[in-house]
Formats: sequence, C-alpha cells, structure tokens
Amino acid sequence: AQSVSQHNHHVILSEAASLELGCNYSYGGTVNLFWYVQYPGQHLQLLLKYFSGDPLVKGIKGFEAEFIKSKFSFNLRKPSVQWSDTAEYFCAVNAAGSARQLTFGSGTQLTVLP
Amino acid sequence: NAGVMQNPRHLVRRRGQEARLRCSPMKGHSHVYWYRQLPEEGLKFMVYLQKENIIDESGMPKERFSAEFPKEGPSILRIQQVVRGDSAAYFCASSQQGAGANVLTFGAGSRLTVL
Repeated sequence: AQSVSQHNHHVILSEAASLELGCNYSYGGTVNLFWYVQYPGQHLQLLLKYFSGDPLVKGIKGFEAEFIKSKFSFNLRKPSVQWSDTAEYFCAVNAAGSARQLTFGSGTQLTVLP
Repeated sequence: NAGVMQNPRHLVRRRGQEARLRCSPMKGHSHVYWYRQLPEEGLKFMVYLQKENIIDESGMPKERFSAEFPKEGPSILRIQQVVRGDSAAYFCASSQQGAGANVLTFGAGSRLTVL
C-alpha cells in the first residue's frame, strides 16, 4: 500500500516570499502524483498532476511541482506567494494503472501574511 | 456544469441516530469515491463505486457504514447508530471512465457532527 508524508503541518510566509512544500511518498511501483488545494470553506481543487513525461509540472495560479523519482518526492513550489494563496495543500498519490483511489498526505496549512 | 454536489453540507445527529449523506457526481462521471477527513488529518479513502457496484470498500469500517450508487439517483453514504468518533467531514469525488479516471473532482463536503 502507498503512503504520503507532508512534513510541514503549518507554514507562515509573508507576501512575495518563495514557497516550497515537501511531499514524499512510499510505493514500489509507478505512481500518479497530485497536489490539491482547499481554500477556506471550499472544496478541494486540483492544482496540478503528474502522470509521466517531464518531471517538472506546471499547474494553475503559478504553482509548479517537481517529481524526483530517486527521492520519492513531489515538492510543490511557487516563486512569490500572495495573500490569496492562504489555504490547505494536500499531496496525493495513486498507483498508475490499477485502483484509482487516492492516498492523501495529512496536509499543510499555508498562511500568507499581507 | 454544477460539479460534484453533496448534501447536506452540515448534519447534526445525536448518538445512536442514522446519518445519510448524498452525492451527485459531475455530469458524465460514472465513478464515485467517498473520503473521510477527521480533524487535523488528511483525507482517508473509504469506498469506490460505479453504478450499482461497489468496486473497492477497503477503507470502510466493517460495521455501521454502508454505501450505494444506484442506477438512478445520487450515491448515498449511510452511517447507522452514529457515535462521537464519526464526527468528520465526508467528501465525495467523481471521475470519468477511461483516460480521465485518474483525475478526481471533489465536492464541497458534508460535515457531520455527532452530539
């Protein structure tokens, strides 16, 4: 079974600071990787996904993530955060080609100070 | 396209009562998933259904919980004889068949509070 670790539970940044949220997974096979965002009071929205190909994935709202297979990592980055990026961020994985249910990390709460 | 619709958004039950949560998938989606989010935790998979079939219920508690996705109407997650530990946010997600099946679209969630 796969598992996902998000080591930062709460990150506080000032506007314009750079962001990197860590995500590591454990699974012996090929995986699909996702980052979801949950704004206050809203549902989860897909930020970006990686299935195959270029390990640097660009998503919505200026976010990107890099899949490093040797490190089992899929860290989320944004060069300059905005107050509106305040939200909870979830990394998720599923096994490619088989069952499609996602395994989620415990989430990282990002607070951006104006 | 209304997206994934869940209702009720908030539900309060007393211990021992039944809770029924409903989920209508996105138009064109035939796969439904239920997840539970306990306080301070990430989402945990519960069950995966297609129309009239339970595909994977490996995340469902063995007792008191059941799910269905009938031929007509929404998917229903049913919790019998609720206990305080059932208080959580329950999220439904849906996906397409085929190449789109790996991308889940989530609803806004149903928050259950057990008194």
